[in-house]
Amino acid sequence: RKEVEQDPGPFNVPEGATVAFNCTYSNSASQSFFWYRQDCRKEPKLLMSVYSSGNEDGRFTAQLNRASQYISLLIRDSKLSDSATYLCVVNGEGYQKVTFGIGTKLQVIP
Amino acid sequence: GAGVSQSPSNKVTEKGKDVELRCDPISGHTALYWYRQRLGQGLEFLIYFQGNSAPDKSGLPSDRFSAERTGESVSTLTIQRTQQEDSAVYLCASSLAGYGYTFGSGTRLTVV
Repeated sequence: RKEVEQDPGPFNVPEGATVAFNCTYSNSASQSFFWYRQDCRKEPKLLMSVYSSGNEDGRFTAQLNRASQYISLLIRDSKLSDSATYLCVVNGEGYQKVTFGIGTKLQVIP
Repeated sequence: GAGVSQSPSNKVTEKGKDVELRCDPISGHTALYWYRQRLGQGLEFLIYFQGNSAPDKSGLPSDRFSAERTGESVSTLTIQRTQQEDSAVYLCASSLAGYGYTFGSGTRLTVV
């Protein structure tokens, strides 16, 4: 089993739709989790951290389910500018190596 | 500096030549990663440096690839006897103790 697994998509959704991505991880000792966004031909950039209690940033909601070992990202009221690849990132404690998922491609269509 | 700096931004080289890619991390960041990303593909882990610990080289695809980092400063990734399949974007990222990974804008390597 891969350390971090994501559905590569693409997810094609109309403007205004709500879309959710899941990411599963294999190491139950993982401590910190992030979602990154990568635009075409650009480097990945931090979108948001994922906290145990769940967290929201505008139209974006991130959640962590430790029992089932997955994190999720919910995007409400999708915009054309949300079109990108969303990377799941999982880290152990402190100095352990981080693992990036392959990314889920989102295409928001008018 | 304010961000992670990579150079050169673009490199075209002939098959069989050696290339050296440079990454200048954010000052004080103890962790440094190199990734490779082929067109339309995900990030492929190459090597991880953490402070003065022995690097994790488990992702290097062959012995043509090597990387160095002195302390918590600049890192160089060297590819010897380049092949066409080495063509990709090489991304460097740094972080402080596993939080807030920041990527450089990458080096686009083309082997002709």
